[in-house]
Amino acid sequence: DIVMTQSPDSLAVSLGERATINCKSSQDILYFSDNRNYLAWYQHKPGQPPKLLVSWASTREFGVPDRFSGSGSGTDFSLTISTLQAEDVAVYYCQQYYMTPYTFGQGTKLEIK
Amino acid sequence: QLRLQESGPGLVKPSETLSLTCTVSLGSINSTNYYWGWIRQPPGKGLEWIGNIDSSGNTFCRPSLKSRVTISVETSKNQFSLKVSSVTAADTALYYCARQVITTLAGVTDYYYFDLWGRGTLVTVSS
Repeated sequence: DIVMTQSPDSLAVSLGERATINCKSSQDILYFSDNRNYLAWYQHKPGQPPKLLVSWASTREFGVPDRFSGSGSGTDFSLTISTLQAEDVAVYYCQQYYMTPYTFGQGTKLEIK
Repeated sequence: QLRLQESGPGLVKPSETLSLTCTVSLGSINSTNYYWGWIRQPPGKGLEWIGNIDSSGNTFCRPSLKSRVTISVETSKNQFSLKVSSVTAADTALYYCARQVITTLAGVTDYYYFDLWGRGTLVTVSS
């Protein structure tokens, strides 16, 4: 199985500041035939369904604020929130869909400092 | 926008079968652009993908759970279901249903991310 490791496990950032969450896969998830990274980022707030933020490592979903951006390739990826808002408090997960079993990172809890 | 809602017993006895249903509303489960999946999260642990199904009943699931998992679809009710047999305390989890984006070209299906999720339902395995 591909192991997805996120860092840090928790993060406290001041409002308006930048937050960066890292995700590392145990093997390359860049598919050579289409040159796309098979990685997604989700935001999960308590009592709500997980929400897809980013697919293909860097494609923001429709309606997701542009302060969210995904980057990286191969085995190392990041989700950056450029200016943290109060409503961004949540747990964030990365997930690889390169191969089954699909696997998720352990989650990063983002809080306000 | 399409919604997914999990339902089923919140308490299951050890060695019995866990049964959950996901109801799709404000949209149809009959689509060639999606599969439908189950994902769970044990208390204090990460997300674990269980398995997926399409509207024709084609399924695939996590190898480690394959012997105990059955996923089925009932298109007339716009629902798909999960059964996990011989449950133990390790099956205690928040269970989510989700929609998986796929593409099919020249008979080859590529499977992608989960774009919509339900809120989840907690299932506790205890006597």
